[in-house]
Amino acid sequence: AQSVTQLDSQVPVFEEAPVELRCNYSSSVSVYLFWYVQYPNQGLQLLLKYLSGSTLVKGINGFEAEFNKSQTSFHLRKPSVHISDTAEYFCAVRNPYSGAGSYQLTFGKGTKLSVIP
Amino acid sequence: NAGVTQTPKFQVLKTGQSMTLQCAQDMNHEYMSWYRQDPGMGLRLIHYSVGAGITDQGEVPNGYNVSRSTTEDFPLRLLSAAPSQTSVYFCASRPSSLNTGELFFGEGSRLTVL
Repeated sequence: AQSVTQLDSQVPVFEEAPVELRCNYSSSVSVYLFWYVQYPNQGLQLLLKYLSGSTLVKGINGFEAEFNKSQTSFHLRKPSVHISDTAEYFCAVRNPYSGAGSYQLTFGKGTKLSVIP
Repeated sequence: NAGVTQTPKFQVLKTGQSMTLQCAQDMNHEYMSWYRQDPGMGLRLIHYSVGAGITDQGEVPNGYNVSRSTTEDFPLRLLSAAPSQTSVYFCASRPSSLNTGELFFGEGSRLTVL
C-alpha cells in the first residue's frame, strides 16, 4: 500500500519570500505524484503532476516540484509567493500499475500556506 | 460549463436523520467518487463508481450508501446521521481514459450533525 506524508500542517511565509512545502511518499512500486491546491471555500484543483521523465515538474501559478526517488520525496516550491497563494496544498500518489479506469488517489493530510503581507 | 455540481452547499442535521448529498457532472465522466475532508485528516475516499450500475467502497464507507443509475449523477446517502459524519464532502469525477491523475472536484457540501 502507498501512503503520503506532508511534514508541515501549516506554513506561514511573508509575501515575495520563497516557500517549500514538503511531501514524502511510501510505496513498494513506482508511483505517479501530484500536488493539488484548495483555495478557501472551493474544491481542489490540480497544480502539477509527475508521471515520468524530467524530475523537475512545472505547474500553474509559478509552482514547481522535484521528484527525488532516492529520498522518496516530491517537494513543492515557489521562488516568490503572492497573497493569492494562500490556500491548502495536498500531495497525492497513485500506483501507475492500477487500471486507468479504477485507480485511486491517496492524499496527504494537507499543508496550509498562509502568505503574510 | 457547469463541471461538477454539488447540492446542498450547507446542511444541518439532527442525529438519526437521513439525507442525500447530490452530485451531478455534465462532462460524461465514467468515474465518480465521494471524499470527506476533516481538519488534519486530508481527504478520505468514501465510495467510488467506475460507471453506471457499478459502485465500490473506499477507505471510510461505513454509514454511507451510494448508487449510480446514470452517468451524470452519483448521490451519497446518509441513512442515520451521526455527529462523526460532520464534515465537508467533495464529489470528484474524471474520464476513465484519463491516466494522468487529474480529478475534477465540486465545490463541496458542508454537513453539520448535531
